[in-house]
Formats: sequence, structure tokens, C-alpha cells
Amino acid sequence: AQTVTQSQPEMSVQEAETVTLSCTYDTSESDYYLFWYKQPPSRQMILVIRQEAYKQQNATENRFSVNFQKAAKSFSLKISDSQLGDAAMYFCAYRSGAETSGSRLTFGEGTQLTVNP
Amino acid sequence: SQTIHQWPATLVQPVGSPLSLECTVEGTSNPNLYWYRQAAGRGLQLLFYSVGIGQISSEVPQNLSASRPQDRQFILSSKKLLLSDSGFYLCAWSVRWTGGHEQYFGPGTRLTVT
Repeated sequence: AQTVTQSQPEMSVQEAETVTLSCTYDTSESDYYLFWYKQPPSRQMILVIRQEAYKQQNATENRFSVNFQKAAKSFSLKISDSQLGDAAMYFCAYRSGAETSGSRLTFGEGTQLTVNP
Repeated sequence: SQTIHQWPATLVQPVGSPLSLECTVEGTSNPNLYWYRQAAGRGLQLLFYSVGIGQISSEVPQNLSASRPQDRQFILSSKKLLLSDSGFYLCAWSVRWTGGHEQYFGPGTRLTVT
């Protein structure tokens, strides 16, 4: 079974600075997808960014980018120019590419990000 | 555009009482549907998923059950709630076929069992 590990329960960053959240995963599959979700205090889960394992190029969405290291099974999220609205719990998630997986996600335990003004 | 609804938003129930949480999706057909539970400050645990009407897969043995009576309706139930059933319940949907499609989440239901 796949596992996702987020080793940083809490992180903090100054407004306008850059922060990197870590995520590692364990899998024997070659076809899979990785995601970062954000959960603000409202507890609504919001997709931040996704990465296909077959793509070597790191995904980028505005101020959010990932560092995907397939061999190391590492998938970190970098937030540039941090804003107060970025404060939230961030979850890393894995999705198998197998047809029989039902497209279900395996989540890490999350990293609580605080943004200081 | 697609929308996912969950109700109720909050629920306080005594131990031993029944439970019914409902999730509906609008704006898409034949979605995969999912029920997750999240304990306070923790990650999401997948409870059930469904790839079609009447097709339910259970991930964790417990006193909860799920049903999908219609294509875009997913119901989480219990005959007798336990204290350990307290938590935040999230419904999600995704496009049915493979291709790395992400899941989209509803607003959640906060359940407190007293």
C-alpha cells in the first residue's frame, strides 16, 4: 500500500518570503499522480497543484511550484511571496494510475502553515 | 460548472442514534464519489468510494455504511453511532475515467457524537 509522509507538522513564514513544505511517498508503481491541497480554517479542501509522475517538468501555478524528485520519491511545495491568505493546513496526496484504484487519494497528515505579518 | 453539496453542515447526535449524511453533485455525470473522515488536526481517512450506482467499496471496517441510490447522490449512514464516529466528514467527486483527475471536495459536515 502507498504511504505519504509529511514530516513537518508546523511551519511558519514571514509575509512576502518563500517557504517549502516537504512530502515523501512510498510506492512500487511507476504511474501515479501527486497533489497538494490546502485547507484553510473554513475546512474547505482546495486543490493547489498537481503533478503527473510521467512528466519530468515540475508543475507551477502562479506563486506555487513543486520540486518533484521521482527517484527520491519526494514532492515538495514551494510558496513564493507568501501572503496572509496562504495560512492553512497543507496536505500532500497520492493517486495511483491503476485502472482498478478507483482514483482514490492517499493523504499525508498535513503541515500547518502560519504566515506572519 | 460542477458543484458538490453536503448536508447537514453540522450535527450533534447522541451515542446509539442513527446517522444519515447526504452528498450530491451537480454539473457532471458518472462521477466517482468518495467519503472521507478527518479527525481534528489530522489527515483525511478514506471511508468509502463508489464508481457507479450501487457500487460501494469500503476502505475501513466500522459501523458506517454508504449507499449510492442515484448517479450523483452518495449517502453515509450508521444504525448506531459511537463516540469515535465524531469528526469532520468530507464528500468528494472525481471524473470517472483515469487520467490523473483531481478530486473536488464538498464543504463538509461536522459531526459530534455525545
